[in-house]
Amino acid sequence: GENVEQHPSTLSVQEGDSAVIKCTYSDSASNYFPWYKQELGKRPQLIIDIRSNVGEKKDQRIAVTLNKTAKHFSLHITETQPEDSAVYFCAATRVTGGGNKLTFGTGTQLKVEL
Amino acid sequence: DTAVSQTPKYLVTQMGNDKSIKCEQNLGHDTMYWYKQDSKKFLKIMFSYNNKELIINETVPNRFSPKSPDKAHLNLHINSLELGDSAVYFCASSQSVYTEAFFGQGTRLTVV
Repeated sequence: GENVEQHPSTLSVQEGDSAVIKCTYSDSASNYFPWYKQELGKRPQLIIDIRSNVGEKKDQRIAVTLNKTAKHFSLHITETQPEDSAVYFCAATRVTGGGNKLTFGTGTQLKVEL
Repeated sequence: DTAVSQTPKYLVTQMGNDKSIKCEQNLGHDTMYWYKQDSKKFLKIMFSYNNKELIINETVPNRFSPKSPDKAHLNLHINSLELGDSAVYFCASSQSVYTEAFFGQGTRLTVV
């Protein structure tokens, strides 16, 4: 089955700096890669996603890059703000007979310090 | 209106008991899921249903039995609860495999 590794497990940055979180996946058939943000005590919420036919996608301060050959994808957050502090999860999935089997990474605790 | 709602939000129960968690989505999605988040925040899929049919059943003890009476509901029944079942259980739904999975607010299950 799919295996998703995520690094680092914790990341501390100063407000205004950039943050980068990296993930690798094992199943070359995976073709959808979402990123979720989970604030303390809250539900995971999608912040950005990318499909395998695209190499990069950007949404304001957030960008995701995908390297299919190397089977890794990254989340980039620029101009970080205190409200960006949360746990971030990458995930990978491929079609499984109509079902969506998201396999999540182990999460990155991002702390943005003033 | 809450898109994906699950009840209860908190559940404290004794070992050996049987309990259920209910989930409903009003998004018209075809696919629903149950995820388990352990104390280390690791999110792992348990089950996936597509139009009331079981699609994915990960390596989950058969004490866990999902039931989907219609495509808007996916309930989780757990028999003979064990200490290791303590976790946060999230219900989620999505329209397709390539679209966002919307999560419920989670049910924090504590087995004592």
